[in-house]
Amino acid sequence: DTAVSQTPKYLVTQMGNDKSIKCEQNLGHDTMYWYKQDSKKFLKIMFSYNNKELIINETVPNRFSPKSPDKAHLNLHINSLELGDSAVYFCASSHSTISYEQYFGPGTRLTVT
Amino acid sequence: DAKTTQPNSMESNEEEPVHLPCNHSTISGTDYIHWYRQLPSQGPEYVIHGLTSNVNNRMASLAIAEDRKSSTLILHRATLRDAAVYYCILRAPYSGGGADGLTFGKGTHLIIQP
Repeated sequence: DTAVSQTPKYLVTQMGNDKSIKCEQNLGHDTMYWYKQDSKKFLKIMFSYNNKELIINETVPNRFSPKSPDKAHLNLHINSLELGDSAVYFCASSHSTISYEQYFGPGTRLTVT
Repeated sequence: DAKTTQPNSMESNEEEPVHLPCNHSTISGTDYIHWYRQLPSQGPEYVIHGLTSNVNNRMASLAIAEDRKSSTLILHRATLRDAAVYYCILRAPYSGGGADGLTFGKGTHLIIQP
């Protein structure tokens, strides 16, 4: 069983479009994250949610809007896509009080043309 | 966040031990030392973490210097599957909320020769 899953795995779209990436975890964790890995392979935290509440928003443009319908899901919606949004986006989850380990999904490669 | 310094890349032969160094001279007294790795085309994967004492798990060992200003991740018998980018990350202890993200540096690209 996949612990942290993301859909889609690949996403190719044009500038100006709006798209969403979905993330689900079946680990019973209370905290979920979105990370962005750019073309130079730098991994950077974007958002974190704890019990459906936004905890971290790291200077991400407001075109990016995370939504957590429940503790097992954290979706990322991106409006008005730009070329610079092309990257691999990773979802992760952890339990805030039991362990520091973060479990990452397989990533979604977003290409904006 | 305190910074870590790692070599850009290292090369080793299959079935030999690998020692991956990490310097963290500005580590605070309560920071934990975490290691993650990222295999090609995959998400990062937790490897091990420690505070002061050396730690062992099924994946690796973590040797922490007495002054905590450096640490070494040890893969006892590298396989081709261990070829990945290894990240050494410092994390403050849980302080309530516990939703802080990981601060990744450039990591060490480990190449394993057959």
